[in-house]
Amino acid sequence: KAGVTQTPRYLIKTRGQQVTLSCSPISGHRSVSWYQQTPGQGLQFLFEYFSETQRNKGNFPGRFSGRQFSNSRSEMNVSTLELGDSALYLCASSLGLAGEYEQYFGPGTRLTVT
Amino acid sequence: DAKTTQPPSMDCAEGRAANLPCNHSTISGNEYVYWYRQIHSQGPQYIIHGLKNNETNEMASLIITEDRKSSTLILPHATLRDTAVYYCIVIINAGNMLTFGGGTRLMVKP
Repeated sequence: KAGVTQTPRYLIKTRGQQVTLSCSPISGHRSVSWYQQTPGQGLQFLFEYFSETQRNKGNFPGRFSGRQFSNSRSEMNVSTLELGDSALYLCASSLGLAGEYEQYFGPGTRLTVT
Repeated sequence: DAKTTQPPSMDCAEGRAANLPCNHSTISGNEYVYWYRQIHSQGPQYIIHGLKNNETNEMASLIITEDRKSSTLILPHATLRDTAVYYCIVIINAGNMLTFGGGTRLMVKP
């Protein structure tokens, strides 16, 4: 089975711009979660989608949003980028809800905001 | 979800067993213990999880104390490729997000 794929792998954006990141889960997985990883804050949960519905949300501002499509693929969007949004963004998929099933992570998208 | 405490770093000799402890003294009866690891520049990798009983798979063994207040992840024969940050997480089954703490940075040395 193919693993979790994320595109693009690297991205450079300017402050104030917006960005959309994409995640394709493992075939058959219905849950997709997003995480932000920075050297200072570590791995932080952004949100989880299951069957096209947001099931959980972390403590991030409204500039961070996401969605899931009927084929379970997911996108996350960050609007009005700030320098502090520079991070590795990780997507993880699981058969069911996180906590009920183990999660499989993608390689991440490294976003640099200048 | 209960909070976990792990040592920030540990060393292990190649070929020896690596025993990584995790304290979760506030764990509740329906919370699972999960272990993940993250090798540099890669996404985290699931290792193992358990509720009460000890668990073993092809990667590792998980020993949970009888009172469930702590657990130990055992890599029976550590290799250089096991050098990574290991995260211990406790989570209520279904519907809750994973909260990653600081983890333990395991360095396997030749």
